[in-house]
Amino acid sequence: EAGVTQFPSHSVIEKGQTVTLRCDPISGHDNLYWYRRVMGKEIKFLLHFVKESKQDESGMPNNRFLAERTGGTYSTLKVQPAELEDSGVYFCASSQDDRPYGYTFGSGTRLTVV
Amino acid sequence: QQQVKQSPQSLIVQKGGISIINCAYENTAFDYFPWYQQFPGKGPALLIAIRPDVSEKKEGRFTISFNKSAKQFSLHIMDSQPGDSATYFCAASLSISSGSARQLTFGSGTQLTVLP
Repeated sequence: EAGVTQFPSHSVIEKGQTVTLRCDPISGHDNLYWYRRVMGKEIKFLLHFVKESKQDESGMPNNRFLAERTGGTYSTLKVQPAELEDSGVYFCASSQDDRPYGYTFGSGTRLTVV
Repeated sequence: QQQVKQSPQSLIVQKGGISIINCAYENTAFDYFPWYQQFPGKGPALLIAIRPDVSEKKEGRFTISFNKSAKQFSLHIMDSQPGDSATYFCAASLSISSGSARQLTFGSGTQLTVLP
């Protein structure tokens, strides 16, 4: 079984630019989550999709972040325009059911905004 | 406000020693407490988890101790090995009735180094 795939693995962009992160969940996993870890702090929840619907986006920091999951398959997280404080590692996770027990995380995208 | 506080931030132990990482939580509605292990360049992977109706859970060299009254839980790694060197995160999630059951609240992580 292929795992959760994220790309790019690293991205360095200038402040004010746009970046799009992509996550391919495990096939058949309806639940998809985005998390972020900023500079050695805790991993924080951003949002949760069930298929193509946003179930919970309470963790999204502001309207510069836009997440989509067209067709209930892969998901993208766009940051526009990027700010310095957006730097961190963005993790995607997927699960078959709607409980956190079966989470599988991707390897993350390290975003650096300079 | 950080709801799950983890300590220490870093830990160095000798091979064969016991590694202990502690977490404290504030929200008594949390009902699932997993520990995740993360190696460099990889995502967090579930290591072991416990629910508050038990005080201890053991899987191989890894043990979770849970103190509900103190709102604390800890990870013990017995006979620590260099291959255990990784970042460890404690986490918690709310009960399913709360409506936010699906998200995890993480601690800030502990960088464990086991010396050969």
